[in-house]
Amino acid sequence: EVVMTQSPATLSVSPGERVTLSCRASQSISSNLAWYQQRPGQAPRLLIYGASTRAAGVPARFSGSGSGTDFTLTISSLQSEDFAVYHCQQYNGWPWRTFGQGTKVQMK
Amino acid sequence: QVQLQESGPGLVEPSQTLSLTCTVSGNSIRSGGYYWTWLRQVPGKGLEWLGFIYYTGSIDYNPSLKSRLDMSVDTSENQFSLKLTSVTAADTAVYYCAREGVAFEYWGQGILVTVSS
Repeated sequence: EVVMTQSPATLSVSPGERVTLSCRASQSISSNLAWYQQRPGQAPRLLIYGASTRAAGVPARFSGSGSGTDFTLTISSLQSEDFAVYHCQQYNGWPWRTFGQGTKVQMK
Repeated sequence: QVQLQESGPGLVEPSQTLSLTCTVSGNSIRSGGYYWTWLRQVPGKGLEWLGFIYYTGSIDYNPSLKSRLDMSVDTSENQFSLKLTSVTAADTAVYYCAREGVAFEYWGQGILVTVSS
């Protein structure tokens, strides 16, 4: 099983700041990584797939990078609606998909 | 627009079977090309992939739950279903159905299932 580790667990930031979230895989997953945003009481929303491709309708302030075992989600200028939990997920270890434990982005 | 909606009891007694159905609209399951998936999330915790079913009936399950899981698909009703047997309090979670094409593109709103007597 591929174990996904996200850091930090919680990030306290102010609107307008640049935010960088990390996700590490226990073994190489190529670029088979997705990022999701989950607001309280809602289902996750796909942001990024293929490590760096934005899903339809996702604002350009969200970008993903990385390959192999280390990945990053960057929010270039945090908006109020971006306070949420962010999950990374690998889909390389066929057929089993595994998620990180999430990073909560909260207001400073 | 693709929409998924979970349905089923919100309360299940320990040792019983949890049964949920996901109704899909805006996309025919029979058209193929996607994996119809169940996931869950213990409140305040991370997401867990339970397994998927393809329209042909091909299935794969999370190995950690394989012995207790059963999934099925009804293409005539455009639904797919989940059964989880011998539930305990550890199975209390929000259960989601989702469509996987390139990652999980569409999700249901989720249904909280509590295991308690």
